[in-house]
Amino acid sequence: GAGVSQSPSNKVTEKGKDVELRCDPISGHTALYWYRQSLGQGLEFLIYFQGNSAPDKSGLPSDRFSAERTGGSVSTLTIQRTQQEDSAVYLCASRVDGGNTIYFGEGSWLTVV
Amino acid sequence: DAKTTQPNSMESNEEEPVHLPCNHSTISGTDYIHWYRQLPSQGPEYVIHGLTSNVNNRMASLAIAEDRKSSTLILHRATLRDAAVYYCILRATNNAGNMLTFGGGTRLMVKP
Repeated sequence: GAGVSQSPSNKVTEKGKDVELRCDPISGHTALYWYRQSLGQGLEFLIYFQGNSAPDKSGLPSDRFSAERTGGSVSTLTIQRTQQEDSAVYLCASRVDGGNTIYFGEGSWLTVV
Repeated sequence: DAKTTQPNSMESNEEEPVHLPCNHSTISGTDYIHWYRQLPSQGPEYVIHGLTSNVNNRMASLAIAEDRKSSTLILHRATLRDAAVYYCILRATNNAGNMLTFGGGTRLMVKP
């Protein structure tokens, strides 16, 4: 499609399980971001990828969170040993190199029970 | 990062203009002013951005104060579909500005 695609749209998982969230950025966009948004809250930056540069991981809340981006395109955000406080919408966004506009996906709604 | 201050919420009547204010008194000379909005159950979407001059596009207008310490997003005729959270964000032009830092935003409610 033309926009940022995220999957799954919704995920319910049990506490302690691992989850993987996938992001397909817009074709040709070299910059990719992950944010999360807890219910009724603002957006919290998690991680940023730009081309082949080392990612900016400064927003990852704990070592249970990791992300990778293969081939400069698709990215996977992994949360290990999920906790209830991980319940949130995880938003992926991408941007063309040098561009000003960041395009967001619809998000992956994660519920940890 | 330079911070922005916005009212938590605003109300408007349908088909009337809406002026959404943003204060950014610590803005630096190279910071761009960006506005995004987030409709219910959706990811944020770009609205407009500017540096010094006022800007217009099909969605809105951006009025920037001469000292750049504040700006106003103008929706010329609010519709029910404009009900959203509007975020005013400063983005630096150096590498640190590659990420957008979202504050609390202004929740705009539009009454029919």
